Amino acid sequence: DGGITQSPKYLFRKEGQNVTLSCEQNLNHDAMYWYRQDPGQGLRLIYYSQIVNDFQKGDIAEGYSVSREKKESFPLTVTSAQKNPTAFYLCASSIVGQGLSTQYFGPGTRLTVL
Amino acid sequence: EDKVVQSPLSLVVHEGDTVTLNCSYEVTNFRSLLWYKQEKKAPTFLFMLTSSGIEKKSGRLSSILDKKELFSILNITATQTGDSAVYLCAVSTGNQFYFGTGTSLTVIP
Repeated sequence: DGGITQSPKYLFRKEGQNVTLSCEQNLNHDAMYWYRQDPGQGLRLIYYSQIVNDFQKGDIAEGYSVSREKKESFPLTVTSAQKNPTAFYLCASSIVGQGLSTQYFGPGTRLTVL
Repeated sequence: EDKVVQSPLSLVVHEGDTVTLNCSYEVTNFRSLLWYKQEKKAPTFLFMLTSSGIEKKSGRLSSILDKKELFSILNITATQTGDSAVYLCAVSTGNQFYFGTGTSLTVIP
């Protein structure tokens, strides 16, 4: 089946530890995105990538890092520099083009920092 | 600064009511406007709008875009408890998607 997978679904970490969230897609999409969602809020863009080996900061990139070594994969690392990392993280992908493509979302990873 | 604003933030209605959700935007390089439904998990796609005045319809849901006044509405008629969700509006520029904070809809039996 085509789609986006994120793992794990739930993640618990101690304060001060780095953690990497996985995102894989087999839709052959060029663009991939990471969003953060806090309770009662919309989606805020962390990073996005439109091509392999290139990515751009979103609105709230501080304390996060990404890599895009393969078209299918866009892992997100939440570093210890992120002051309030507990949140729901969504990965998405889309076709790069004229803005006439929807985004497809993965199931999300709920990160809790203890 | 590009922004998308949704209203109301939350809404509680009874089954059978009709609701209208609003989305206004100020985004340079507008390409399309999208509506999503989110039920405590990943958002699911509802509509994509690119042209003014053309209604998109799916069952009891419909949406329309006004590119002159920079807004869109999402209508839900004869609401059901299964419509309870957060409805997100997003604007695409081709490079990025800008999301509003969402409207939380609760439908009471």
